[in-house]
Amino acid sequence: RKEVEQDPGPFNVPEGATVAFNCTYSNSASQSFFWYRQDCRKEPKLLMSVYSSGNEDGRFTAQLNRASQYISLLIRDSKLSDSATYLCVVNSMNYGGSQGNLIFGKGTKLSVKP
Amino acid sequence: EPEVTQTPSHQVTQMGQEVILRCVPISNHLYFYWYRQILGQKVEFLVSFYNNEISEKSEIFDDQFSVERPDGSNFTLKIRSTKLEDSAMYFCASRFSQSMGEKLFFGSGTQLSVL
Repeated sequence: RKEVEQDPGPFNVPEGATVAFNCTYSNSASQSFFWYRQDCRKEPKLLMSVYSSGNEDGRFTAQLNRASQYISLLIRDSKLSDSATYLCVVNSMNYGGSQGNLIFGKGTKLSVKP
Repeated sequence: EPEVTQTPSHQVTQMGQEVILRCVPISNHLYFYWYRQILGQKVEFLVSFYNNEISEKSEIFDDQFSVERPDGSNFTLKIRSTKLEDSAMYFCASRFSQSMGEKLFFGSGTQLSVL
């Protein structure tokens, strides 16, 4: 099973639409979860961290379900500028139980059309 | 916001040549990383570095790769004898700690093309 799995998309939506991305992870011991955004040929940029209680930042809402090892990102009222690839990111765990490096999903491509 | 800087932005080299990719992490950060992304593929972890030594490395990071922090500011990735399949975007990243939720800052990357 891949460590972090995402639907590759692309998701083609009109401006103003609501779009949801899903992600599953394989390591039940993972403690940190993030959504990153990557524009074409650019570096990943942190969009938001994901907390157990769920969190919201403006039009963006992230949810975590530890029992199902599932993370989601909801974008409301999508803008043209939201067009990008959205990366689900989970920390690995070292053998000693401490947090290790970040593992990236392949990303879900979003294209918002006028 | 502080930045991780990488040079050069593009590097073209012949197969079998050595390349050194350079990075200046954020000044008070303690953990440094190299990731790579082959065109159309996911971002892949190569190596992490802490306290002047490698703390973790992936299967990709074989004997052809090495990292060094030669002074207090630079963090370099060396590929001794490049192969065609080493062509990728290489991202340097840093963060202050590995605490839960600690943000990872990425540089803008070096696009390596091996001919």
